[in-house]
Amino acid sequence: GENVEQHPSTLSVQEGDSAVIKCTYSDSASNYFPWYKQELGKRPQLIIDIRSNVGEKKDQRIAVTLNKTAKHFSLHITETQPEDSAVYFCAASSPHNNAGNMLTFGGGTRLMVKP
Amino acid sequence: DAGVIQSPRHEVTEMGQEVTLRCKPISGHNSLFWYRQTMMRGLELLIYFNNNVPIDDSGMPEDRFSAKMPNASFSTLKIQPSEPRDSAVYFCASTVGGDRNQPQHFGDGTRLSIL
Repeated sequence: GENVEQHPSTLSVQEGDSAVIKCTYSDSASNYFPWYKQELGKRPQLIIDIRSNVGEKKDQRIAVTLNKTAKHFSLHITETQPEDSAVYFCAASSPHNNAGNMLTFGGGTRLMVKP
Repeated sequence: DAGVIQSPRHEVTEMGQEVTLRCKPISGHNSLFWYRQTMMRGLELLIYFNNNVPIDDSGMPEDRFSAKMPNASFSTLKIQPSEPRDSAVYFCASTVGGDRNQPQHFGDGTRLSIL
């Protein structure tokens, strides 16, 4: 099955700096890579996703890159703000016998943005 | 759209009791997922339904756990008998399903405490 590794587990940055979170996956059939943000006591919420036919995607201050050959993908947050503080999860989706896609999540990164 | 609706939001019960968690997916979504989240193990997939049929239950910890989806708008996760180690936040998520690589949308979760 799919295995997703996420690094670092914690990340502390100064407000205004950039933050980068990296993930690797094992299943070359994985074709969809969402990122979720989870604030304390709340549900995971999708912030950006990328499909395997695209190498990079941007949405304002966040961007995701995908390297299919190396089987890794990264989340980049620029001009970080205190409200970016949360736990971020990467995930990889593998086709499952034409019955939909299952997500395998990374272990999460606790991002702390210091004012 | 109301999003994925879970109930109850919080449940505190004594070990040995039966616990039933409920989920209403987003209308039109035909894939439903139950996850468990703990500090130690992160976000774990328990079971996954597609068109009301269980597709993969390999994440269900043991026979004390069971899940049903009697129709497209309702699913239950049952623990009987419950044990303190079942304490966790249980999330339900839904997606359009099929092979379309759409994001999963999470409910607000049920915070379960077994005393």
